[in-house]
Amino acid sequence: DIQMTQSPSSLSASVGDTITITCRASQSIDTYLNWYQQKPGTAPKLLISIASTLQSGVPSRFSGSGSGTDFTLTVNSLQPEDFATYYCQQRYSPPNTFGQGTRLEIK
Amino acid sequence: QVQLVQSGAEVKEPGASVRVSCKASGYIFTTYGISWVRQAPGQGLEWMGWISNFNGQRTYAQKFQGRVTMTKDTSTSTAYMDLTSLRSDDTAVYYCARVNTYNRQDGFDVWGQGTMVTVSS
Repeated sequence: DIQMTQSPSSLSASVGDTITITCRASQSIDTYLNWYQQKPGTAPKLLISIASTLQSGVPSRFSGSGSGTDFTLTVNSLQPEDFATYYCQQRYSPPNTFGQGTRLEIK
Repeated sequence: QVQLVQSGAEVKEPGASVRVSCKASGYIFTTYGISWVRQAPGQGLEWMGWISNFNGQRTYAQKFQGRVTMTKDTSTSTAYMDLTSLRSDDTAVYYCARVNTYNRQDGFDVWGQGTMVTVSS
């Protein structure tokens, strides 16, 4: 199975800050990498697919990059509604494993 | 609108089985597969498997092989996930999600609201 490792596990930031979350795959997954946002008590929401394609309706302050084994999610100018947990997921091969999550908290 | 609506919360004893349903609406059911993902309390997301578009081929995570069965009823646009021999560590929220199992470029773009399954004696 492909292992997905996110860093950091948690992060404190302020409104207006720019943050970056890293996701590393245990083997090359090309660009078959998705990012999700999850708020407490709700289902995950797809933000980005194939490493860098923003889903419709997702604010442009979110961006993704990377290929192979190393990927990043960047959020520019954090807004109050961005404080949530973020997960990466590989779709290179089943099982479509998720990273362990990065909890973004308000400083 | 496109949505997946799941069945309600369940409480089961250890060793029992549970069935969770996921009813799709707003799109052509057979053009997408359904994946199941679970989340234990305070924990991350765990992919359990999927049932594919069109032919209903199933792929399960090794961890759940032998205990999970995923099916779908195209006449009612409903997917089902059965989990047997329940243990306390199966206590989790179970989500269904829409996925194009034939196109790896697609993410899980529509999710059900989640079904809490509690395993307790």
